[in-house]
Amino acid sequence: DQQVKQNSPSLSVQEGRISILNCDYTNSMFDYFLWYKKYPAEGPTFLISISSIKDKNEDGRFTVFLNKSAKHLSLHIVPSQPGDSAVYFCAASAATGANSKLTFGKGITLSVRP
Amino acid sequence: AAGVIQSPRHLIKEKRETATLKCYPIPRHDTVYWYQQGPGQDPQFLISFYEKMQSDKGSIPDRFSAQQFSDYHSELNMSSLELGDSALYFCASSSRQGYTDTQYFGPGTRLTVL
Repeated sequence: DQQVKQNSPSLSVQEGRISILNCDYTNSMFDYFLWYKKYPAEGPTFLISISSIKDKNEDGRFTVFLNKSAKHLSLHIVPSQPGDSAVYFCAASAATGANSKLTFGKGITLSVRP
Repeated sequence: AAGVIQSPRHLIKEKRETATLKCYPIPRHDTVYWYQQGPGQDPQFLISFYEKMQSDKGSIPDRFSAQQFSDYHSELNMSSLELGDSALYFCASSSRQGYTDTQYFGPGTRLTVL
């Protein structure tokens, strides 16, 4: 059972426009959410995170929104750049206590066209 | 800034052989996680250590074992290798300070079992 879902396997956007990557989760125990960017044959690179006590976190061109009632989060990249082309993983953890393993979604391949 | 180091980066083994993967966490990080990513799959949690003690266990086969040493580096030992063990193995480290701990990933070890 996939507890973190990224239902769109790919997204293509024009350079300079906004990229919106969506993620849904089913486990109500999750309270910390992260986005990672991954290139082939490399490890995931941490981008941005949000805890369940917030509904928005912003870092430069990246903003993550969390809607707890809908169990949905999204990553906005504005403006999108060709260097943003990669696979983006949404991940979640129940950060309180000792058990903070990450549960990942299947990933979304973002292509930014020049 | 120092990152997570994994060695070797690539490893080729025959069926039924043994493999040892090493992970050196970011300095002052006290927690290490191991993940396995099969082809076209999302990373799956294997096992984690906090202050040299096993803190959580995921879908890790009995043929695999791991430990964290006094210098905080960790080793994943894999015996009786099977073709299905071919995957990318990621190590991540974090520092459990405050409410949440963000995991930072190494570049991975690509294991190929022939």
